[in-house]
Amino acid sequence: GAVVSQHPSWVICKSGTSVKIECRSLDFQATTMFWYRQFPKQSLMLMATSNEGSKATYEQGVEKDKFLINHASLTLSTLTVTSAHPEDSSFYICSACTTGRGQPQHFGDGTRLSIL
Amino acid sequence: TQLLEQSPQFLSIQEGENLTVYCNSSSVFSSLQWYRQEPGEGPVLLVTVVTGGEVKKLKRLTFQFGDARKDSSLHITAAQPGDTGLYLCAGEYGNKLVFGAGTILRVKS
Repeated sequence: GAVVSQHPSWVICKSGTSVKIECRSLDFQATTMFWYRQFPKQSLMLMATSNEGSKATYEQGVEKDKFLINHASLTLSTLTVTSAHPEDSSFYICSACTTGRGQPQHFGDGTRLSIL
Repeated sequence: TQLLEQSPQFLSIQEGENLTVYCNSSSVFSSLQWYRQEPGEGPVLLVTVVTGGEVKKLKRLTFQFGDARKDSSLHITAAQPGDTGLYLCAGEYGNKLVFGAGTILRVKS
């Protein structure tokens, strides 16, 4: 149980393109979803926290107009990288959890984004 | 800002050797989690420690949470090539996870 599916697994696109990444909880309702960014051989850096039906909370230094997050249902959150540039190339990972203190986060398999 | 210092950053050892990875912080965490991540995949939870002083064992892996819940260690006994990967500690603070920098472990046969 507690499977999180992320799509696409990898994407290559031209500079200036907007890219949408989906994160779905397949067998549970995710009241909260998290979006992380990871550079090669580095750790996960939290970008934003999204709660179903409300606006996402972004970490310091993360541009909310650049990284649009929508969490419209209890099983789906999307991250849109708008007007992507080569410096946005990274590994993006989502996680999802249910309500309640101490509930574990379940991670997706990540999306490799390469901007040419 | 809660910081979790993880060491060493990189470890290359021979099969059969033992190793320990450390995570330290000046902050108190409600729980601490250890993950293992393969290239191109998301992190996979190995264990969660909650109580200060808690010790958990998972086959050849032993996890310990410090008494003050500010630090933790992962000890691997008789490492095998299949243990190769990125190991991450993460402290739970509020509803967020604060990740350490990670330890890249390479076990040579």
